Amino acid sequence: GENVEQHPSTLSVQEGDSAVIKCTYSDSASNYFPWYKQELGKRPQLIIDIRSNVGEKKDQRIAVTLNKTAKHFSLHITETQPEDSAVYFCAASSETGNQFYFGTGTSLTVIP
Amino acid sequence: EAQVTQNPRYLITVTGKKLTVTCSQNMNHEYMSWYRQDPGLGLRQIYYSMNVEVTDKGDVPEGYKVSRKEKRNFPLILESPSPNQTSLYFCASSSWTGTETQYFGPGTRLLVL
Repeated sequence: GENVEQHPSTLSVQEGDSAVIKCTYSDSASNYFPWYKQELGKRPQLIIDIRSNVGEKKDQRIAVTLNKTAKHFSLHITETQPEDSAVYFCAASSETGNQFYFGTGTSLTVIP
Repeated sequence: EAQVTQNPRYLITVTGKKLTVTCSQNMNHEYMSWYRQDPGLGLRQIYYSMNVEVTDKGDVPEGYKVSRKEKRNFPLILESPSPNQTSLYFCASSSWTGTETQYFGPGTRLLVL
């Protein structure tokens, strides 16, 4: 099956700086790549996603890039704020879009 | 209010005692899925369902059963729980397939002694 690796496992940035989290996947048939944010004690929430026919997608301070050839995708958060502090998970779907494989998470801390 | 609910939220049980965790959504979603979350391992998919009476295995289905008799409900059944099933469990649903936005329930924290 698919294998998704996520780096780094922890990340600390100063408020206002940018944060980048990277994921790689193994199955070239994967075609949907969501990112989830999970605050402490809360449920995961989708923050952005990208499909395999798109190279980049942006939503205000958050952007995701996808390199299908290299099989990696990245989450970019600009102008970080303390409320961005959370654990972020990347995921990749199977070709059918029904099975999902998650990375192991990145704990982001934004220092005021 | 559109939501996914799970019950119970917390459960302590003993090895071998059958239990069911319920999941219900009020959004008329076709797709539902169960995940378990363990420290350092992220989320792992247990089972998913595309529609009523249509279920399939995820990445870690061993020791679990599911059923989808009604569109809104997708219970997770542990027929003989073992300590390695101690985990945080999330149910999720989305409108058509998993590639639409998945909405997660609040989670069920299970401890098997």
